[in-house]
Amino acid sequence: IQLTQSPSFLSASVGDRVTITCRASQDITSYLAWYQQKPGKAPKLLIYGASTLQSGVPSRFSGSGYGTEFTLTISSLQPEDFATYYCQHLNTYPPLFGPGTKVDI
Amino acid sequence: QLQLQESGSGLLKPSQTLSLTCAVSGDSISSGEYSWNWIRQPPGKGLEWLGYIFHTGNTFYNPSLKSRLTISGDRSKNLFSLKLTSVTAADTAVYYCARGSTSAFHFYDPWGQGTLVTVSS
Repeated sequence: IQLTQSPSFLSASVGDRVTITCRASQDITSYLAWYQQKPGKAPKLLIYGASTLQSGVPSRFSGSGYGTEFTLTISSLQPEDFATYYCQHLNTYPPLFGPGTKVDI
Repeated sequence: QLQLQESGSGLLKPSQTLSLTCAVSGDSISSGEYSWNWIRQPPGKGLEWLGYIFHTGNTFYNPSLKSRLTISGDRSKNLFSLKLTSVTAADTAVYYCARGSTSAFHFYDPWGQGTLVTVSS
């Protein structure tokens, strides 16, 4: 199974609504997670099970999708949200990450 | 609060063995609820899962590295370790340790801060 993300790079402004797409080459039902990685930092789990928000993650982040197409939405982009976002196919061996989407100013 | 902290060799020459440890505080690697994982990220590139160890001591490795990789645990010190033999420049990366969920969804949370390993002659 392959994961692709689009776009690879996204330029946005504070307050924008941002949507990132992750596509799987085969049906992965809801076995998908999203991580945020800021420069020089470790990835941070945002969402798992395609749509479950990890505890402590702001509610402006949401996930949706099932099967082969998934989206991560940031409802109102904040300055601290400029980062690279990765999707991950869960419960597979070996675990697989998408190539990433960089959200820049 | 659960914390993971990587440490180990930062600069290696080709053919040497990479050794890293991940010290865990706030949880026990002996608990049956989680896996303990190593994940790496070459500079400017994406994430690659390397392998994990369970509380039972069972290990699972990425097939691409299986012949060179060993993950072990030390319950008395509450840490787990990675050894990667015969390193090349392609092994240059930031190496992260992370706790893996073993419930319905096997996500990674939290992660250590990462440690940069450079392989250069």
